[in-house]
This record gives sequence, C-alpha cells and structure tokens, in this order.
Amino acid sequence: GIQVEQSPPDLILQEGANSTLRCNFSDSVNNLQWFHQNPWGQLINLFYIPSGTKQNGRLSATTVATERYSLLYISSSQTTDSGVYFCAVGPYDYKLSFGAGTTVTVRA
Amino acid sequence: NAGVTQTPKFRILKIGQSMTLQCTQDMNHNYMYWYRQDPGMGLKLIYYSVGAGITDKGEVPNGYNVSRSTTEDFPLRLELAAPSQTSVYFCASGADGRGDEQFFGPGTRLTVL
Repeated sequence: GIQVEQSPPDLILQEGANSTLRCNFSDSVNNLQWFHQNPWGQLINLFYIPSGTKQNGRLSATTVATERYSLLYISSSQTTDSGVYFCAVGPYDYKLSFGAGTTVTVRA
Repeated sequence: NAGVTQTPKFRILKIGQSMTLQCTQDMNHNYMYWYRQDPGMGLKLIYYSVGAGITDKGEVPNGYNVSRSTTEDFPLRLELAAPSQTSVYFCASGADGRGDEQFFGPGTRLTVL
C-alpha cells in the first residue's frame, strides 16, 4: 500500500510562532486530507487538498502532487492549535492511508 | 445535519464478550468506513462499504464484521472481544469514492479487559 511519512513527529512552539508540517507519500494520489485531532480525540477536517493551495484563516496547505508531498502551514500559533495533525492520502481508490501524525504543542 | 454519529462513546468489555458499534450518517453518502486508532498511531481501515448491501475488507478486518442494510447505517460487530481490540474506533462517510472528502464521527473508545 501507499506509504505516508509525516515530519517532524513532534513540534513545540511558542505562542505566536509560525510552523510548517510536511507529508510525503509514495505514490500518486487522488485524495489528500489534513486533519487536526483535538485533545478530546475528535478528528476535525482541515483541508481536502489533492493538489494546489488552500487557506483557511491562520492555516494554509499546499500539495505538489507531481512531487508527492504536501505542506501544512500554521501561522501565529495559538494554544488551541495544540493536538495531533494527520495527513491522509488515497490513491486511485477510496481507501485513505494515514500518516503517524505530528504532535504540536503550543506554549503560552 | 448531525453529520456522522457514533454510539456508544465509551465501552469496557470483558474478554470473549460481543458488542456492536453503531454508526449513522445523515448526508446520504454512499461510502462509509470503519477505522481503528491505536495509541500514538494513525488510523487503519477495518472495513468499508460502497453502498447498501456491499461491504469489503480493509487493512485490519480480523475479529470484526460489518453489514450495510441501509444507506444511513453501518454497524461494526465484535464477536469475541480480545485485548488487542482495545482502541478508538472511528466511522467515516463520503459522497463519492474516488478523490472525495471523508467526514469522521466522534469516535468510540473501547477497552477490552
């Protein structure tokens, strides 16, 4: 199956800092999503972005499908951004493969 | 729309007991999925369904069964619970299979002792 690697595994930020999370994948994809898992365990859809660039408030994402990677940018981080960020990809079927996640801790 | 709902939120089972995790979506999605998430890990696909009456195995199906009698409901059955099935279970749905966004329920935290 398709391999998904996320980096870094852990990230500690001071409130107000910017950061970039990376997702590399091993094959062509038809589906790529970024999720935030909050401290209560709920998965919150951030972006559906198999290609291109999207922005939502302080978050933005870019996927370069031809080079098999995606980036998630967090700007002016807040303590509420803490949690685990997952990248999930789907090749040319409907099954998502998840990366191991990046654990983000934002300190006040 | 309530989206994807799951019940129960929490459950403790003894080894060998059985239970059904319920999942319902009100978005009229054809595609539904069950994932499990072990501590510190990403999610792994257990079973999926492309429509009522059609189900298929994912990456980790052993010890589980599913059915899909309606578009809305996709229950997951554990027949003989084992400690290895201690996990958080997520149900998801999507309108279309290929290249379509999946929406996740709040999860069921299951402990088998």
